[in-house]
Amino acid sequence: GDSVTQMEGPVTLSEEAFLTINCTYTATGYPSLFWYVQYPGEGLQLLLKATKADDKGSNKGFEATYRKETTSFHLEKGSVQVSDSAVYFCALVTFAGNQFYFGTGTSLTVIP
Amino acid sequence: AAGVIQSPRHLIKEKRETATLKCYPIPRHDTVYWYQQGPGQDPQFLISFYEKMQSDKGSIPDRFSAQQFSDYHSELNMSSLELGDSALYFCASSSSVWALAGGPGAYNEQFFGPGTRLTVL
Repeated sequence: GDSVTQMEGPVTLSEEAFLTINCTYTATGYPSLFWYVQYPGEGLQLLLKATKADDKGSNKGFEATYRKETTSFHLEKGSVQVSDSAVYFCALVTFAGNQFYFGTGTSLTVIP
Repeated sequence: AAGVIQSPRHLIKEKRETATLKCYPIPRHDTVYWYQQGPGQDPQFLISFYEKMQSDKGSIPDRFSAQQFSDYHSELNMSSLELGDSALYFCASSSSVWALAGGPGAYNEQFFGPGTRLTVL
């Protein structure tokens, strides 16, 4: 079945450090891939998305490239800020699907 | 732009009570999804509706039921509440028209509401 495997946390980084959160997926057909961010006590916010192989999603300095050959969608940011502290979820939905499959979430804490 | 609206935002109930959560999708969205996110967990799919008919069912307990109304809003009814039902409940909506518009690579993008935090005491 469809699934997402996400790098386990928690992750603690110093401000301006480089961030990578790994995400790999298993899916039938042509999935679309997403990264969501959840700040404490808040709902899910779409961070970025990619709908086909080799697409790069980007937003607020975050990037992720849809790699079909490695079935991956790793999240990266060159220089994290304290305000990036949150839980990050990788997710997929297939073309014929009607539910999202979420990874287990990675908690990121950025310290000054 | 209008977003998905959920009410109430917070709800406190006692064990064995009932609760009703409401979701108002983005205008012209015809599909609604419900997810449950336990403390420190990833969101788990419960159930979805398309054009007022149940379209898919996930890990929804038998004590829960849901429906979608003619104005496309949806309600999740939870009975005989248990302590383990304490969670954040998300609603999401999407448009099937968008989903069918493309070929391979099109997607059922779901837009999430802010969630209802249910606490069962």
